[in-house]
Amino acid sequence: DVKVTQSSRYLVKRTGEKVFLECVQDMDHENMFWYRQDPGLGLRLIYFSYDVKMKEKGDIPEGYSVSREKKERFSLILESASTNQTSMYLCASSRPGQGRYEQYFGPGTRLTVT
Amino acid sequence: DAKTTQPPSMDCAEGRAANLPCNHSTISGNEYVYWYRQIHSQGPQYIIHGLKNNETNEMASLIITEDRKSSTLILPHATLRDTAVYYCIVFMNRDDKIIFGKGTRLHILP
Repeated sequence: DVKVTQSSRYLVKRTGEKVFLECVQDMDHENMFWYRQDPGLGLRLIYFSYDVKMKEKGDIPEGYSVSREKKERFSLILESASTNQTSMYLCASSRPGQGRYEQYFGPGTRLTVT
Repeated sequence: DAKTTQPPSMDCAEGRAANLPCNHSTISGNEYVYWYRQIHSQGPQYIIHGLKNNETNEMASLIITEDRKSSTLILPHATLRDTAVYYCIVFMNRDDKIIFGKGTRLHILP
């Protein structure tokens, strides 16, 4: 069974803290993605990665960075958390070149910044 | 920006067919139509996809109009567990970046 796991389901951090959100997939997928989801705005792509040590900006990268040192792990970093980064964060992975293209999502991390 | 337009919400009685429409009038010839859904407190889940022909799998059917400018996802016998937000997405398989719109919130009524 394919699996994408995220380090925490719920997280509470203070303004200004450095926050790490970890995502691990066990499917040997090349592609990994970070989204945030807010009411009324749907899913928005923050960053994605096509391979180890590669990263591409999505639609809303400001205030975030990422790290992909190993194929199975993709980390989202909030260098200095702010209250407007309170959101649901979703990680996904995929394998390129499939006839049926599918992104597999993790359960999400609900981050609250106070 | 998302290339699709969907109604923000719909209701359907339990046991009836749920028909979810999607407009994608600017779709290009090599773009596929994909449907995902997101049940509360979970990540999105793939349902079905198609290019030109109608498609059916164990979860749903996908009807694409001949001009490909719109499509309909059909859940043949909706259950309470089908309550979710349904996303219609168009993109080329070679482009690995999916743009999710706001989707349709489907309420299944007992």
